[in-house]
Amino acid sequence: RKEVEQDPGPFNVPEGATVAFNCTYSNSASQSFFWYRQDCRKEPKLLMSVYSSGNEDGRFTAQLNRASQYISLLIRDSKLSDSATYLCSAGYIPTFGRGTSLIVHP
Amino acid sequence: DARVTQTPRHKVTEMGQEVTMRCQPILGHNTVFWYRQTMMQGLELLAYFRNRAPLDDSGMPKDRFSAEMPDATLATLKIQPSEPRDSAVYFCASGFQPGQAMIKGYGYTFGSGTRLTVV
Repeated sequence: RKEVEQDPGPFNVPEGATVAFNCTYSNSASQSFFWYRQDCRKEPKLLMSVYSSGNEDGRFTAQLNRASQYISLLIRDSKLSDSATYLCSAGYIPTFGRGTSLIVHP
Repeated sequence: DARVTQTPRHKVTEMGQEVTMRCQPILGHNTVFWYRQTMMQGLELLAYFRNRAPLDDSGMPKDRFSAEMPDATLATLKIQPSEPRDSAVYFCASGFQPGQAMIKGYGYTFGSGTRLTVV
């Protein structure tokens, strides 16, 4: 079992939809959580940090649920340009999930 | 924007040859990671340096892989001899970890990667 697990998808949604991804982690001692975005054949790029109190950046909201050991990413008003793979990481030495693929169609 | 620079971008080599990948972290960053990404395994940690000291290379096959950081501006990952199963994209990432705060980390910046094909 991987330390960080994600539903690979793909999540296929129309423009304007709201979509949410979850990511579970196994190490309860983890303190650092992030979401990254990775476009096809590109490097992962840091999207946002994840805090227990929640973190919002425009259309993106990240949440941490320590009791259930998962983090989530909510994207509101999806754009075509949001199509990518979203990777979560957990831990001071980041362990990554395999990513969730999002396809936003017209 | 500050960037992590990796060279070469692409490398095709024959089995048994030595491969060296280089990474220039962002100036001022004290932490460097090497990851390997494949479709099957996703991103796997190979090595981790903080203040140029190797802190974790447990994910790296020791018999053929080696990672070094000869100075603050250069990290290297070598494979000798290379094998077809080493074919993957190798990413370097850098960031800053404060020395005292060992619990919380910060997000990291990835280089563009080296796409390695061993035939």
